[in-house]
Amino acid sequence: GNSVTQMEGPVTLSEEAFLTINCTYTATGYPSLFWYVQYPGEGLQLLLKATKADDKGSNKGFEATYRKETTSFHLEKGSVQVSDSAVYFCALSEGGYSTLTFGKGTMLLVSP
Amino acid sequence: NAGVTQTPKFQVLKTGQSMTLQCAQDMNHEYMSWYRQDPGMGLRLIHYSVGAGITDQGEVPNGYNVSRSTTEDFPLRLLSAAPSQTSVYFCATTLVGEQFFGPGTRLTVL
Repeated sequence: GNSVTQMEGPVTLSEEAFLTINCTYTATGYPSLFWYVQYPGEGLQLLLKATKADDKGSNKGFEATYRKETTSFHLEKGSVQVSDSAVYFCALSEGGYSTLTFGKGTMLLVSP
Repeated sequence: NAGVTQTPKFQVLKTGQSMTLQCAQDMNHEYMSWYRQDPGMGLRLIHYSVGAGITDQGEVPNGYNVSRSTTEDFPLRLLSAAPSQTSVYFCATTLVGEQFFGPGTRLTVL
């Protein structure tokens, strides 16, 4: 079956530091890959996505590249802000209407 | 557009009580899902529906029932609440692989 593994948190950084959150996946087919973000007390919001190998998703300064050869979709940001503090979920979907398989989430804490 | 709405936001139940968590959407999406979120467990799929009149079980369906009489509504029923069902519950719709989440219901079972 499908699975998503992401690094455990919390990840604690100072403002303007570089961020990497690792995500690897196992899938039987050719999935689409997603990063969702959950701010305190809220539901999940789509941050970025990539639908095929070598695609790069980007949004709000965050980037992730779909690497089929390493089955990875690592999230990066060059300079984090305090407002980026949240829980980040990596996820995959195998089809247009299939459910998503989520990783367990990584909490990011950014201090001033 | 309101997107996906959930009620109530918070609920406390006693063991054995029943209740229904409401979920409604105004995006006309056919695919809807219910997840529970527990610390260290990520999101786990409870039930899902691919359209009105069609529902199926997810990863953790025991203790929960669903129905889908309209495209807009997808209620989740707890028949006899147990402390293990203390969690945050999220409803979501899906369109072309992207999911849209409601704000969640925080449920505590004493």
